[in-house]
Amino acid sequence: GAGVSQTPSNKVTEKGKYVELRCDPISGHTALYWYRQSLGQGPEFLIYFQGTGAADDSGLPNDRFFAVRPEGSVSTLKIQRTERGDSAVYLCASSSRTSRDTQYFGPGTRLTVL
Amino acid sequence: GQQLNQSPQSMFIQEGEDVSMNCTSSSIFNTWLWYKQDPGEGPVLLIALYKAGELTSNGRLTAQFGITRKDSFLNISASIPSDVGIYFCAGQPYGSGNTGKLIFGQGTTLQVKP
Repeated sequence: GAGVSQTPSNKVTEKGKYVELRCDPISGHTALYWYRQSLGQGPEFLIYFQGTGAADDSGLPNDRFFAVRPEGSVSTLKIQRTERGDSAVYLCASSSRTSRDTQYFGPGTRLTVL
Repeated sequence: GQQLNQSPQSMFIQEGEDVSMNCTSSSIFNTWLWYKQDPGEGPVLLIALYKAGELTSNGRLTAQFGITRKDSFLNISASIPSDVGIYFCAGQPYGSGNTGKLIFGQGTTLQVKP
């Protein structure tokens, strides 16, 4: 069966531009997570969706970051006015409602802000 | 914020040797998980631990949830070249509201010499 997929796999943008990163979770998984991984570090939590709503967005670094999941499946992470410090791998994970801590990760989107 | 201290930071071993790595925290965790990440890929779940004292195996991998709920270890027996990669511990903090939000360690980079 299909795992978590993320597009694009790589994104290069210029400082100040807007970017959207997409995540397709495992079919049937109601919980979806975004993490950010900087070089040489472990993933850091950004936001958690249960269904369509953001149940925990405490990890979003500032108001330039926003994520949506309008139909409870695909999610889009949006970054406005990108900064060089936003460069990282953005990982998406999904899990079933009954086993939220058993998360399955996608391959990530490598974002480079020039 | 909550942090996980993972050690060692890196290991370079001979094929066939056993490997041990651990993760500690100053606070209690409800769940401990161990992931492996290959270059350009997302983390892959190896073992999940849900109860203090639990000892779980997955092939040549064995992991334990510490009795104090503040630590976990992962052992790999009879290492092979494909064990190369970065190993992350992750945990769901006690009192995090059962959102499934995970805190990750900094990773242990394993290199295996044939």
